[in-house]
Parts: sequence; structure tokens; C-alpha cells
Amino acid sequence: EDQVTQSPEALRLQEGESSSLNCSYTVSGLRGLFWYRQDPGKGPEFLFTLYSAGEEKEKERLKATLTKKESFLHITAPKPEDSATYLCAVQLRRKNYGQNFVFGPGTRLSVLP
Amino acid sequence: GAGVSQTPSNKVTEKGKYVELRCDPISGHTALYWYRQSLGQGPEFLIYFQGTGAADDSGLPNDRFFAVRPEGSVSTLKIQRTERGDSAVYLCASSPVGAPLGEQYFGPGTRLTVT
Repeated sequence: EDQVTQSPEALRLQEGESSSLNCSYTVSGLRGLFWYRQDPGKGPEFLFTLYSAGEEKEKERLKATLTKKESFLHITAPKPEDSATYLCAVQLRRKNYGQNFVFGPGTRLSVLP
Repeated sequence: GAGVSQTPSNKVTEKGKYVELRCDPISGHTALYWYRQSLGQGPEFLIYFQGTGAADDSGLPNDRFFAVRPEGSVSTLKIQRTERGDSAVYLCASSPVGAPLGEQYFGPGTRLTVT
């Protein structure tokens, strides 16, 4: 069964305290892995797409990496405005080229001033 | 420019009733997605449109759910004989031609409550 899990479920950091969020996946064929940020009461906001193991993407204080079984979202010197739920999703390789995305449950990040 | 809009923002209905949820994608975006999200969970894929046609409806849970996009822009998600388990936030997203995989622009969602 295709599955995406994220850990930790929740994370509290002090401002400036770097850390990493984990996304593990067991899928039968990966077309891409994606990270999103979601603020309360809003839809997710796209952050990154990763296609293959070894790939890295950066945006401001965020850096996403990908291996064959998992992805990490590294947050360097976070600020309170980085507080949000971070969602990981995968798109599966299917014969019908469907657009079925599978999301993980998310990690709720709180950055305290 | 204007983002993806969804109406209504909140909908309360009684069990067994029919509801329609509307999505206005970003102008010019050819791809449109519907998801539903339960509290504390990630979005669950329902259906994907490319233009007017449903290219992948593998996520629709049963035949009570149906979605249309007759002119390739606005889409309506229709739920018949609603059940309490249908209560969730329904999200719509769109993306332009040539966008990288996963680059979707989400609306704020419609919170559906079935009593």
C-alpha cells in the first residue's frame, strides 16, 4: 500500500534553533515528492518539488533533500513566522499517468520568540 | 492577481441533503484538483481535471460524489445524500500549463459540516 508518513507530529523550536522534519514514503514508483506549508484556515502553499534521490532545493531558511526512502525539510535559524504545518506529498508513477497525489499528515511547527 | 477562490466558505447541511461546492481557479490555469482534508490530516486527492475533462477521478470515494468543469474554468463538486462522514474542508487547487509537478495553487477551502 502506498503510504506517506511524517515525523515528528509536532515540533516546538526556539527562534534560531535549527531542526529537520522527516517525510518517509513507501510507494510503488515515485514521479515526484513535494513540500507544502499550510497556515491555519488556509490552503497549502507550494514550496518544493524533488524528483530523484540526491536532489536538494533551497528557499530562504528552508532546504529540502531527497533519498530513496525519505525526504528531509531542514529549517535553519527559524523565525516565528515559520510557524505552520508542513505537508509532504508524493505523486505516483501510474500506467494511466494519473495525477493522484498522496499527502502525509503533516508536522505542526511552532517557533517561539 | 486573484488567487483560487471557493464558495461558500462554510456550508452546514443536514444528513441526506445535496450540496454543491464551487471553485474558481486562477485565470488561464488548465489543471484543476479537488481534495478534502479532515482535521489533523493531510489533503486527500479526489479528482483532477485537465481542461474540461476529468483526467483522473480515482480519488472519489463513491458514486455520491461528482464533479464537473463544463467550460474548462469554474468547477463544481457535487455531493448527493450527504453523510456525517462527509464533513471536512474541501480544497480546490489549480496549476498552469508547464508548471513543475506539485506546483498547485490552493484556495482557502469550503468547510462542510453535515449534521
